[in-house]
Amino acid sequence: NAGVMQNPRHLVRRRGQEARLRCSPMKGHSHVYWYRQLPEEGLKFMVYLQKENIIDESGMPKERFSAEFPKEGPSILRIQQVVRGDSAAYFCASSPQSSYYNEQFFGPGTRLTVL
Amino acid sequence: GNSVTQMEGPVTLSEEAFLTINCTYTATGYPSLFWYVQYPGEGLQLLLKATKADDKGSNKGFEATYRKETTSFHLEKGSVQVSDSAVYFCALIVSNFGNEKLTFGTGTRLTIIP
Repeated sequence: NAGVMQNPRHLVRRRGQEARLRCSPMKGHSHVYWYRQLPEEGLKFMVYLQKENIIDESGMPKERFSAEFPKEGPSILRIQQVVRGDSAAYFCASSPQSSYYNEQFFGPGTRLTVL
Repeated sequence: GNSVTQMEGPVTLSEEAFLTINCTYTATGYPSLFWYVQYPGEGLQLLLKATKADDKGSNKGFEATYRKETTSFHLEKGSVQVSDSAVYFCALIVSNFGNEKLTFGTGTRLTIIP
């Protein structure tokens, strides 16, 4: 059973470009969470999605960031017009259902560098 | 709100030394508590967890006990190895009607020297 997959593992963008980060949850998992890790900091929650629904986006910056989890295909975190401050590691996690009693399984992360 | 305060790092120990990494929390509600480990260049792996007061989570020689009276979940290991070098994160989840997101501490970088 493959784990959570994220791609690309490393992404370099110039200021003003768009970044698209993809996350394929574990088989049978319908809940996806995105977290951001700034250099030398802990992970901060960004958004929680179920298939075709955004459940909680309270951690998402109000502008330039969006996320989706379509019925088919991976979850996508999209950052428009990237700035240097967006440079971070972005981690996706998945769980089979509500994660209070269920572990969130993390992917290896996408490390975004904005030049 | 919910928050996790973790012992500042970095921590450097000699092999076979005793390890303690302190973690305290505040939570609106009854949290489940977790320790995650992040090896260089990798994602987070769950190390251990505890879901109610006085529970002890354990794995790979690491232990942590859920102390409700002191709102703490300190990580301990009796004899560390070089392979334990990693960043350790304390985290919590509070049940919120199906919206459960992890709240993390800032992480403690542990280096074990031979």
